[in-house]
Amino acid sequence: ALTQSASVSASPGQSITISCTGSNNDIGYYNYVSWYQQVAGRAPRLVIFGVTSRPSGVSDRFSGSKSGNTAFLTISGLQAGDEADYFCASYTSSRTDVFGGGTRVTVL
Amino acid sequence: EVQLVESGGVLVNPGGSLRLSCEGSGFVFANAWMNWVRQAPGKGLEWVGRIRAFAQGGTTDFAAPFQGRFSVSRHDDGNTMYLMMTGLKIEDTALYYCTTEGFTYGFHSHDSWGQGTLVTVSS
Repeated sequence: ALTQSASVSASPGQSITISCTGSNNDIGYYNYVSWYQQVAGRAPRLVIFGVTSRPSGVSDRFSGSKSGNTAFLTISGLQAGDEADYFCASYTSSRTDVFGGGTRVTVL
Repeated sequence: EVQLVESGGVLVNPGGSLRLSCEGSGFVFANAWMNWVRQAPGKGLEWVGRIRAFAQGGTTDFAAPFQGRFSVSRHDDGNTMYLMMTGLKIEDTALYYCTTEGFTYGFHSHDSWGQGTLVTVSS
């Protein structure tokens, strides 16, 4: 699994960055990193694909980036509705997908 | 609007078999790569496997823990994908989601999700 920090918390209006660390065989191999938001009791929702792109309907407060084997999700202007679990994922050189363990975002 | 509806999740004994279904609507199912992703209670997401569209060979890929034990098939006329699970273990207890892959957005992103079907493996 990709490695994510377990949790992060911040106040409304602040910015947070979640990291997702993989290897040369996944994040470092392709630009096929995606991020998913899962609000409690709901199915996950795609918020970032292709490392940096946003689906339609996703706020531009969400942005993605990558450096080497680590991907990042930044949420700026944090809002109460952003409170959720966030999962990264990557396609791999073995033609499989792998998810991160998830990061719980708490809005104080 | 893309809709995915999973079904077939039940309580099953360890060592048993089960087939899950995923019916899609609102899109051209035959053109879609489809995936299964599971989530054990209180845990994270785990990718299970995929099946490509028949235009790309209809081939499958699986995560290592599921190779040889799980299989995926599709019936495009019925807009349905199946997950056949055999030799079920207690640790296979999870909510099983089906997803479309790269259908609306970029390659290798899970762009639409169903609501999941719960599989419980217990004696």
